[in-house]
Amino acid sequence: EIVLTQSPDFQSVTPKEKVTITCRASQSIGSSLHWYQQKPDQSPKLLIKYASQSISGVPSRFSGSGSGTDFTLTINSLEAEDAAAYYCHQSSSLPWTFGQGTKVEIK
Amino acid sequence: EVQLVQSGAEVKKPGESLKISCKGSGYSFTSYWIGWVRQMPGKGLEWMGIIYPGDSDTRYSPSFQGQVTISADKSISTAYLQWSSLKASDTAMYYCARLYPGIGSYMDVWGKGTTVTVSS
Repeated sequence: EIVLTQSPDFQSVTPKEKVTITCRASQSIGSSLHWYQQKPDQSPKLLIKYASQSISGVPSRFSGSGSGTDFTLTINSLEAEDAAAYYCHQSSSLPWTFGQGTKVEIK
Repeated sequence: EVQLVQSGAEVKKPGESLKISCKGSGYSFTSYWIGWVRQMPGKGLEWMGIIYPGDSDTRYSPSFQGQVTISADKSISTAYLQWSSLKASDTAMYYCARLYPGIGSYMDVWGKGTTVTVSS
């Protein structure tokens, strides 16, 4: 089973700051890494697919990068509505797995 | 509009059985895998398994193999997650999601979730 480790677990950030969340895989997964946002009491929402591909309707301040074992989700100029938990997910091999999540709080 | 509509919240006792549902609409239900994801209270997402409604091909996470059964009825565009004997530790929110475009892919549309509470 591929283990995904996110860092940090929690981040408290001021609006307009840049946020960087990393996701490290226990073995190479190519670009089969996706990012989701989950706001309180809501379902997860797809933010980035295949490590760096944007999703229609998702604000351009969200971007992803990486391949192999190291991946990054970047939120440029954080807005109040971005307060949420963020999860990475690998679909390279079964069983699929998620990272443990990163909670982003707005100061 | 592509939608996944999940059944309502359930409150059950330990040892009882349960089957929750996820109905797809707005797309060809038999052409896309459906996945199930657990979220225990205050915790992260856990992948449980997936099913291809076209032929009911099913794959389970080892953590959930033998603990739950995933099925689908393509005639009514509905996927199911069921337990034969619930435990208190099954208390969680359960989400279904569509895999796009295929098995090695991402989950592009999610249901709103079904809360399952197991308590004596």
